[in-house]
Amino acid sequence: ETGVTQTPRHLVMGMTNKKSLKCEQHLGHNAMYWYKQSAKKPLELMFVYNFKEQTENNSVPSRFSPECPNSSHLFLHLHTLQPEDSALYLCASSQDRGTGEGDEQFFGPGTRLTVL
Amino acid sequence: QKEVEQNSGPLSVPEGAIASLNCTYSDRGSQSFFWYRQYSGKSPELIMSIYSNGDKEDGRFTAQLNKASQYVSLLIRDSQPSDSATYLCAVNEEDSNYQLIWGAGTKLIIKP
Repeated sequence: ETGVTQTPRHLVMGMTNKKSLKCEQHLGHNAMYWYKQSAKKPLELMFVYNFKEQTENNSVPSRFSPECPNSSHLFLHLHTLQPEDSALYLCASSQDRGTGEGDEQFFGPGTRLTVL
Repeated sequence: QKEVEQNSGPLSVPEGAIASLNCTYSDRGSQSFFWYRQYSGKSPELIMSIYSNGDKEDGRFTAQLNKASQYVSLLIRDSQPSDSATYLCAVNEEDSNYQLIWGAGTKLIIKP
């Protein structure tokens, strides 16, 4: 495997279900990110982890719960979601969380989530 | 929160011509600027990064940064139908611990 991988690629869930999204990066990066992308809207940053520590939580509802067990893996646990949470969920990684070269972000293929 | 503005398009360009994509940003403290390409149904793919004023060229792509005027642009020379995609501009924001702030993207269509 190379780059950033995400599973599953597609997920349909009911509002009472609990599911998890998985992301793995094979780039040796130190920072990982969860983004939400809805149609016609800019990418929304949800969570940032740097060296396994959460550094940003952009007012994300508690029904989304991130987990970063090590610098290569990132999870997003989902429970009691709403239909408006249907979107493309993207994981990304970068070498650093700095202000210069090294903070280019590389994306996984995404998980297309549909909440019924 | 500061903003990144892009014309949503679609921008239609004949094959072989130069496509010019523009992006303006509001945070004067921004230091890192990125262009991503996103095909329909796919994830964003990094095309160019630029950190200092001036031009940066990579193959058919040239990124231009003007910090005084707070804009960054992407030129695509010899446009190909495969360049048809949505182009996203991203800028880091000083006031938000250098999070990337994203534009909504410009849809580019290259006509054969």
